Amino acid sequence: GAVVSQHPSWVICKSGTSVKIECRSLDFQATTMFWYRQFPKQSLMLMATSNEGSKATYEQGVEKDKFLINHASLTLSTLTVTSAHPEDSSFYICSARDSGTNTEAFFGQGTRLTVV
Amino acid sequence: AQKVTQAQTEISVVEKEDVTLDCVYETRDTTYYLFWYKQPPSGELVFLIRRNSFDEQNEISGRYSWNFQKSTSSFNFTITASQVVDSAVYFCALSEGKNTGFQKLVFGTGTRLLVSP
Repeated sequence: GAVVSQHPSWVICKSGTSVKIECRSLDFQATTMFWYRQFPKQSLMLMATSNEGSKATYEQGVEKDKFLINHASLTLSTLTVTSAHPEDSSFYICSARDSGTNTEAFFGQGTRLTVV
Repeated sequence: AQKVTQAQTEISVVEKEDVTLDCVYETRDTTYYLFWYKQPPSGELVFLIRRNSFDEQNEISGRYSWNFQKSTSSFNFTITASQVVDSAVYFCALSEGKNTGFQKLVFGTGTRLLVSP
């Protein structure tokens, strides 16, 4: 089956620093990727839709200057949490849509971010 | 607007019991997809099933079965003879289907299933 690799699996960073999370489709091309966030014991909420070669589309209430998304190739999208604060601590998970079929998307393993 | 409701926050059963997880959805689209995912404590999302709005046929996969009823906008999930390894959070999700392809998922709030020995 299709594989989406998300890296790192977990990260601890200090307040004020930036953290980059990678989402990579390993065996298919993905012109569209989705970034979700999940706070402890809550549901997953879409943050933004990442499109290869163009600007990401952010959901209402998500600060685009704080959560920088770059989708520079057909297999890689990155999410950078800038100037992280403890309230940004969360589980971030990406999903990549298979450009070949356009009808399926596959999730990465997720990244658990803890800001101290 | 799309919405997915999982009214059961947490369910506790004893091994070998059957359990049904409820999912009710709202959408104005005539074409849409419904999903169930399992999230074990490790956090990754395990895909269980996808169903499109034109296929109301119920499905069975081993101990898992799904009942899709458009008349009540429900897509319920039943685990037969539950096992301890079934303990996880289960999410129901909805995606609209457009010509541009698979869209974002709207998730329910999840149901935490605890299966005790």
